[in-house]
Amino acid sequence: GAGVSQTPSNKVTEKGKYVELRCDPISGHTALYWYRQSLGQGPEFLIYFQGTGAADDSGLPNDRFFAVRPEGSVSTLKIQRTERGDSAVYLCASSYNGQGAGYTFGSGTRLTVV
Amino acid sequence: AQTVTQSQPEMSVQEAETVTLSCTYDTSENNYYLFWYKQPPSRQMILVIRQEAYKQQNATENRFSVNFQKAAKSFSLKISDSQLGDTAMYFCAFRTGNQFYFGTGTSLTVIP
Repeated sequence: GAGVSQTPSNKVTEKGKYVELRCDPISGHTALYWYRQSLGQGPEFLIYFQGTGAADDSGLPNDRFFAVRPEGSVSTLKIQRTERGDSAVYLCASSYNGQGAGYTFGSGTRLTVV
Repeated sequence: AQTVTQSQPEMSVQEAETVTLSCTYDTSENNYYLFWYKQPPSRQMILVIRQEAYKQQNATENRFSVNFQKAAKSFSLKISDSQLGDTAMYFCAFRTGNQFYFGTGTSLTVIP
């Protein structure tokens, strides 16, 4: 696609529920990143994929968070047993090969846990 | 530790005037890139300007320019001839390896 697409745009879920957030990167981009932006803060790194593999998952806050990219394109961020503190905007970005500065961000998914 | 500090939570400027947004950072890395991103209400992070740390010359993109002081670890953004469409959150960031490190942002309002 022309840009990075994230769905849904907004998601409201109850505490304790499971959610999946989807990122569709720019076609041909091998590198994909997930960031979390809490209210009033800048984005914080969660995980980086190069192809199908998670090259760096050091930003995932705990084992309730997991992400996959099975075919090297679309990625899904999965959050189990959601907590109110998980409420944030989850941003996805992609780049051609992870080098240089050609990163394109999506518009994010705003997750609200009630 | 990698940190980015934006000490101005909010700023305003009259249309057509010039404004400077401040940013300092801390890293022990030698190779990194510096960025300014704009985030309008649509939430998408839009690249405004970037600077390679090894380049001494300050980057310029039309009305946007930076003042990069490597020794002081300072990377300010100057917006000239401010336009109403420049109203947004502005984030300073640097990238080393696979990660971006962002500041907490400056909310800029351009007043007509």
